[in-house]
Amino acid sequence: SSELTQDPAVSVALGQTVRITCQGDSLRSYYASWYQQKPGQAPVLVIYGKNNRPSGIPDRFSGSSSGNTASLTITGAQAEDEADYYCNSRDSSGNMRVFGGGTKLTVL
Amino acid sequence: QVQLVQSGAEVKKPGASVKVSCKASGYTFTSYGISWVRQAPGQGLEWMGWISAYNGNTNYAQKLQGRVTMTTDTSTSTAYMELRSLRSDDTAVYYCASMASRDGYIIDFEYWGQGTLVTVSS
Repeated sequence: SSELTQDPAVSVALGQTVRITCQGDSLRSYYASWYQQKPGQAPVLVIYGKNNRPSGIPDRFSGSSSGNTASLTITGAQAEDEADYYCNSRDSSGNMRVFGGGTKLTVL
Repeated sequence: QVQLVQSGAEVKKPGASVKVSCKASGYTFTSYGISWVRQAPGQGLEWMGWISAYNGNTNYAQKLQGRVTMTTDTSTSTAYMELRSLRSDDTAVYYCASMASRDGYIIDFEYWGQGTLVTVSS
């Protein structure tokens, strides 16, 4: 079982806004990073830190955090955003890394 | 640009060992560490551990302690992950990823290799 909990699946209409959440006690102390993975491909970093995007990641992707919950928001979802999204952070001890179970995003 | 190129697919029998390589380019290898992550078929991502390319320090997932060894060869900018006593549930795609420090944050998985499929089957 994962120390970070994500909803297994979320859907959004094309052009609308969607929030993907990640819950875990360690998120009270550590920021989450977010990764996008499309079928047959390696994951890609989309958000790190408080709300930082690597170069090349569209600004429709944003991150936030409150209490034990981190969120990835896609404002104006596009068809190409359909993918699995994983959060990642440290575990409660701070020594190990852990991934959430992943959220499958469907763009309708 | 940063590139991580991994070795090819492997088929192993239960009880055997596998060693996956990850050759880095496009940055100073010893500045950051290398993380390893695996993904079983149809499943999520599982963190395996990391190694500092600067001093060789390692940190392994408790679940894999005693079966996994991560090493680096700084002369060739290559990281290695060896997994021993393979079982069928070790069948997965194994990824390496570069670590980095950006904007004051530590990023554990900034750039990823293409993945290496390891199949464990009798």
